[in-house]
Amino acid sequence: AQSVTQPDIHITVSEGASLELRCNYSYGATPYLFWYVQSPGQGLQLLLKYFSGDTLVQGIKGFEAEFKRSQSSFNLRKPSVHWSDAAEYFCAVTTSGTYKYIFGTGTRLKVLA
Amino acid sequence: NAGVTQTPKFQVLKTGQSMTLQCAQDMNHNSMYWYRQDPGMGLRLIYYSASEGTTDKGEVPNGYNVSRLNKREFSLRLESAAPSQTSVYFCASSEGGSLYGYTFGSGTRLTVV
Repeated sequence: AQSVTQPDIHITVSEGASLELRCNYSYGATPYLFWYVQSPGQGLQLLLKYFSGDTLVQGIKGFEAEFKRSQSSFNLRKPSVHWSDAAEYFCAVTTSGTYKYIFGTGTRLKVLA
Repeated sequence: NAGVTQTPKFQVLKTGQSMTLQCAQDMNHNSMYWYRQDPGMGLRLIYYSASEGTTDKGEVPNGYNVSRLNKREFSLRLESAAPSQTSVYFCASSEGGSLYGYTFGSGTRLTVV
């Protein structure tokens, strides 16, 4: 079955600390992977996407993600978290020729001052 | 840049009432989508419109209808609201299919009592 799993429902980090949010996928076709961020009361915003090539992709707001095919993972990282990064983060997978994503259930990030 | 605009932002309905959620985008995108977001369930696709003049069912279409009024506007109608339709509804648009990434509106919080 096709699925996206975000194992951590909540994560708390201190401001300035590094961050890694986990995402694992199960997908029959060639996967194209995305991370979105949702600030409180807002819609989702695209952070970054992976299609092919270099397995480390850079996104907005200083985020990056690494695709590891052998582990079926696409983890999101940031070297130093800012208080404004507190939000909910969604991993999603899709494939070419479709209009649909499979979204994970999200990871809510809390940042301590 | 307005992006994707949804109205209303909040709505309370009584069971059995009908209403239409409005969505408009100003990015000349071809494709538009309606999602619902429920705690612990991520985002689920209700309906989408790949291009002007077409609509298709998503994962959870029951109890909803849509209209792609023109290239800019895509509305979602609840004919007879039920408490199970209490949710946050998001409209999104994209240039084409899912590989382009979505631009989301800020959502409509709907409560059915």
